Formats: sequence, C-alpha cells, structure tokens
Amino acid sequence: AQSVSQHNHHVILSEAASLELGCNYSYGGTVNLFWYVQYPGQHLQLLLKYFSGDPLVKGIKGFEAEFIKSKFSFNLRKPSVQWSDTAEYFCAVGYQKVTFGTGTKLQVIP
Amino acid sequence: GAVVSQHPSWVICKSGTSVKIECRSLDFQATTMFWYRQFPKQSLMLMATSNEGSKATYEQGVEKDKFLINHASLTLSTLTVTSAHPEDSSFYICSARDPVEGWGETQYFGPGTRLLVL
Repeated sequence: AQSVSQHNHHVILSEAASLELGCNYSYGGTVNLFWYVQYPGQHLQLLLKYFSGDPLVKGIKGFEAEFIKSKFSFNLRKPSVQWSDTAEYFCAVGYQKVTFGTGTKLQVIP
Repeated sequence: GAVVSQHPSWVICKSGTSVKIECRSLDFQATTMFWYRQFPKQSLMLMATSNEGSKATYEQGVEKDKFLINHASLTLSTLTVTSAHPEDSSFYICSARDPVEGWGETQYFGPGTRLLVL
C-alpha cells in the first residue's frame, strides 16, 4: 500500500526566509507525486506534480520540488517566502488512486 | 484550469435525516470523480471512487449503504449521507480527473462541504 509522510506539521517563517517541506513516500509502482496547497478559506489547488523526466519540477508561485528516487522523497522548496504563502501544504502520491500526507501548515510572518 | 464545484458549501441537519452533496465539473467531462473526508487537523481520506455509469468503488471501512454515490452524468456526482449521525459531521471534498489531460492523474478539487449533524 502506498503511504506519504510529511515530517513538519507546523512551520513558522519570516518573510524572505527559505522554505523546505519534507515529503517521503512508499509506493511500489509507477510514481506520480504531487504537492497541493490550501489557502485559508479556499479549496485545494495543485502546486506542482511529477510524473517522469526531470526530477526537479517547477510549479506555480515560485515553488519547486525535487524527486529523489533513492531517498523516496519529494521535498517542496521556495527560496524566499511571502506572507501570501501562508497556507496548508499537502504532499500526495498515487497512480490510479492518490494518497495524501497529513499536511504542513505554513505560517509566514511579515 | 479545470473547475470543480460543490453544493451546498455547508449544511446542518438533524440526526436521522439524509443529506445530498453535489459535485460538478464545470468545464470538463469527468469520467472519474473522488470523494474524500477530512477530519480536523488530519489529511484527506479517500472514501470512494465514483465512475460514470457504473457503481462506485468504496475504500475499506467505508459503508456503501451509508454513503451512497451516484455518478449519473459526465459532469455530476452526488454523495448522499443516509441516516446521518453526529459522527458523520465532517468536511467532505470531491475531486475530478480531467481525462483530456491524458498524461496526468491530476485531480481538481471542489471547495468542500461542511456537514454538521445535530
């Protein structure tokens, strides 16, 4: 069975700080990996996804994630966060069926 | 991008009544939709996969007679919580895959429905 682990439950950063959110997965087959974001009061939106090819994936709003197969990881990064990045971030893995991690709440302090 | 809507956005009902939640894909046809449940401070838990024109596939532990799913058209799936009880209070979220994308398993999410059973 596939599973996703997000290590950071709550992260607090100051504006302009760099961000890295950890995501590890276990899955035996073809891996599709996702990061979704949920801004306060809004629904889940796709941030970026990896299916194949370049393991460094660029997403919206300056986010990127790197797929490291040997580490079963798909960490999310952003070099300089903004207050508007305050949200909850979910890592997900799946092919036919998607499994979500427990989410990481990011709070960016102006 | 693809848009998914849900109706209602929130509902309060009495214990023992049934509640229907609609999920619509607004600008694409979705052969497959998904229903999730999200508990406070927890992740999304997949309840079932809704397939247009056929029976839904339920996850282990989800009562199919309690959570009735109907996917009657390519743009509409409904979840009916039958004989709702307070423990069914939760945030229900649907998502849909856009098959036109072809290469993706990307799911587009609705805004969710908050259900409170008194």
